[in-house]
Order: sequence, then structure tokens, then C-alpha cells
Amino acid sequence: EDKVVQSPLSLVVHEGDTVTLNCSYEVTNFRSLLWYKQEKKAPTFLFMLTSSGIEKKSGRLSSILDKKELFSILNITATQTGDSAIYLCAVESGEYGNKLVFGAGTILRVKS
Amino acid sequence: NAGVTQTPKFQVLKTGQSMTLQCAQDMNHNSMYWYRQDPGMGLRLIYYSASEGTTDKGEVPNGYNVSRLNKREFSLRLESAAPSQTSVYFCASSMVSGANVLTFGAGSRLTVL
Repeated sequence: EDKVVQSPLSLVVHEGDTVTLNCSYEVTNFRSLLWYKQEKKAPTFLFMLTSSGIEKKSGRLSSILDKKELFSILNITATQTGDSAIYLCAVESGEYGNKLVFGAGTILRVKS
Repeated sequence: NAGVTQTPKFQVLKTGQSMTLQCAQDMNHNSMYWYRQDPGMGLRLIYYSASEGTTDKGEVPNGYNVSRLNKREFSLRLESAAPSQTSVYFCASSMVSGANVLTFGAGSRLTVL
């Protein structure tokens, strides 16, 4: 059974801090790993990773994948209150064909 | 630029009642999905439709049915609602059948008493 585990489950930091969110997975026929940000409503896409060791970066957010150790991290530097959200990790695997398996998410709260 | 539209946004049902959640996308996407989100459990796939005319079960299909009415619309039906189906439901779509980048609707909060 495919499994995606995120840690920590929740996190409270102060503005300006750097945070690292973790995602580990056990899936058959790995295709890609995706990160989403969910504020009040719909999840919105952040990154898609398919190759090990290649960092994806967007502003203060960056992510990297390790396919040997089966995990990914999402880094957020110089956090702002607007970064407060649930961060979801999802893995696309061959077992389910064209579907994503999501982790439970990390709830990040950034205090001013 | 609507993207994925879900209705209703909120619904309260009594146990045993039926209802249909509607979803429509205007991005000419081929694949559509229904997820439910419960606290501490992330998003779990209920059903998906890789293309018009096909539907398949996901991780948690029991108690639900779906209809891919046409390329734009994908509905989710609860025939006899149960309290365990209290959840937030998200419809999503993607261009190709490889899931990858999903575009989500705003969600429908369903409470079953």
C-alpha cells in the first residue's frame, strides 16, 4: 500500500525564521512528488519533483527530492505571516495509475 | 477564469438522505477527481475519471457514486449519507491522465447529522 508521511504535523514559528518540512514516501513505481499549499480553501500547486538532487526554487521556497532515501524537503526562508497554511506533499505512483497519494499535511503557523 | 467550480459550498444532511455534489471545469482538462479531506488524514481519493466516459475507484469509494456527465462535469453522489461522510470534499482536474498538477475547486463542506 502506498504511503506518504509528513512531519512535523504542525509547527509554530516567528516571522523571519527558516523552516524545513519533511515528506517521506513508500510507493510502487514512483513517478513524481508534488508540494501544495492550502490556505483557507483549495490547495495550490508549488513544486513538482521527479529527479533526485535537483533543487526547485520559487522566491523564498525551495524543495529537493532524494529518490534513494525516499524523501523530500520543503524549505521556507525568512518566513512571513502569509506563509501560514497547510503544506501538502503528494506522490504520483504507478500502483494507482493516474492518481496522487497525499500525506496528512503540515500545519504551519507564522507569528508576527 | 473560473477554473474548477463546485456546488454547493456547504450542506447539512440527515443520516440516510441523499445528495449530489456538482463539479465543472472550464480548462478543457481530460481527467477529473473527487477527494475528501479529514483532519489529520490529508486528501484521500474517492473516485476519478481519466477521460470522458470512464470512471474508477480510488482509495475510499464506499458509499459514493460518480458520473462523468461530459468532459466538463463530474458529479459525486451520496445515496444514503452517514455521519462518517462528514468531511470537506474537493473536486480537481488535470490536463492529462498523469495526475501531476491538479487544479482544485474551492471545496464543499458536508455535515451529516
